[in-house]
Amino acid sequence: GQQVMQIPQYQHVQEGEDFTTYCNSSTTLSNIQWYKQRPGGHPVFLIQLVKSGEVKKQKRLTFQFGEAKKNSSLHITATQTTDVGTYFCAGQNTGNQFYFGTGTSLTVIP
Amino acid sequence: EAGVTQSPTHLIKTRGQQATLRCSPISGHTSVYWYQQALGLGLQFLLWYDEGEERNRGNFPPRFSGRQFPNYSSELNVNALELEDSALYLCASSLYIFPNQAFFGQGTRLTVV
Repeated sequence: GQQVMQIPQYQHVQEGEDFTTYCNSSTTLSNIQWYKQRPGGHPVFLIQLVKSGEVKKQKRLTFQFGEAKKNSSLHITATQTTDVGTYFCAGQNTGNQFYFGTGTSLTVIP
Repeated sequence: EAGVTQSPTHLIKTRGQQATLRCSPISGHTSVYWYQQALGLGLQFLLWYDEGEERNRGNFPPRFSGRQFPNYSSELNVNALELEDSALYLCASSLYIFPNQAFFGQGTRLTVV
């Protein structure tokens, strides 16, 4: 079956350091989405990538979709304490099914 | 516009009982997804409904079931509750038009004692 793996599972960084989480799918995806879940909250949509090799930026966040549309990354520059939370990728296939990664829990140490 | 709403917010049941969780999607959304998020784990796909039909289900036993009503709201039923069913159950909705993002509800925290 389709699987979406995400690494690392946990990441602790000092405030101001950069952070990257990686997402890998066992099959080619039609698009990939990223969600952020704050502690005690629910996943909130961040961005969607559709095109092969696509790169999108949101302030300090940079999202990338691989050329083969099987992997993606989220990079945060100069982390802040407000970045704390779990970041999930979700691969969507042609059947409109979402397969979520296991998530990366980010802790930012002030 | 109202988002995805789930009820109840919290639910406490004893082992062996049945639990019913409810979800109302965003108006106009026809697809409803159910996920289980156990403590420390990611989102585990449970069920997907669209236009009243079950389109796909995850790797969960048959005691996890559900349905989607004509107004696109949905119920998740968990029979013969076990302690390990304790988790946050999240519902999400989306337009069936592909591709599209999923909007999540706040979840139902189910505790089995």
